[in-house]
Amino acid sequence: AQSVTQLDSQVPVFEEAPVELRCNYSSSVSVYLFWYVQYPNQGLQLLLKYLSGSTLVKGINGFEAEFNKSQTSFHLRKPSVHISDTAEYFCAVSEGTGFQKLVFGTGTRLLVSP
Amino acid sequence: NAGVTQTPKFQVLKTGQSMTLQCAQDMNHEYMSWYRQDPGMGLRLIHYSVGAGITDQGEVPNGYNVSRSTTEDFPLRLLSAAPSQTSVYFCASSGAPGTGVRAEAFFGQGTRLTVV
Repeated sequence: AQSVTQLDSQVPVFEEAPVELRCNYSSSVSVYLFWYVQYPNQGLQLLLKYLSGSTLVKGINGFEAEFNKSQTSFHLRKPSVHISDTAEYFCAVSEGTGFQKLVFGTGTRLLVSP
Repeated sequence: NAGVTQTPKFQVLKTGQSMTLQCAQDMNHEYMSWYRQDPGMGLRLIHYSVGAGITDQGEVPNGYNVSRSTTEDFPLRLLSAAPSQTSVYFCASSGAPGTGVRAEAFFGQGTRLTVV
């Protein structure tokens, strides 16, 4: 079975600083990878996804992620964070092409302070 | 376009009561899923469906039932609520591969359930 590891449960950072949220997955087959953001008391919103092709994926709100097959990683980055980026971020992997069986990491809470 | 709609948003149940969490989508998606979110555990798959009349178990199915009589609706039933089922429940839908729909899962806003 697939598994996803988010190494940091909480990442504090100052506004306008860069940030990287780490995600590693376990799989020996082709995978489809996602980053979702959850603001307080809200549902999940897709930030970006890797399905195939270029390993550098750009998403909404200035976020990007790099798929690294050899290291089985899909780290999320942003060069300059805003207060409004404070939220919980989930990395997920799909076990199939229909995305009905997503496996999620435990989440990373990004805390941006002035 | 409403997307994925979950009702109710909040619910308090007593131990042993039953209830149904509703989920509806208006994107004509074949695939629908239920997840529960608990602190420090991320989201875990309860049940999923790949079409009307077809359902299967996920990682944590015990205590929950589902059925899929239409493409649009995928209700989640708690037969006899237990305090361990206190959680936030999310419904998601996605299109079948090759149907031209966006390749992602869309989530509802969640139902916060407390069992006392």
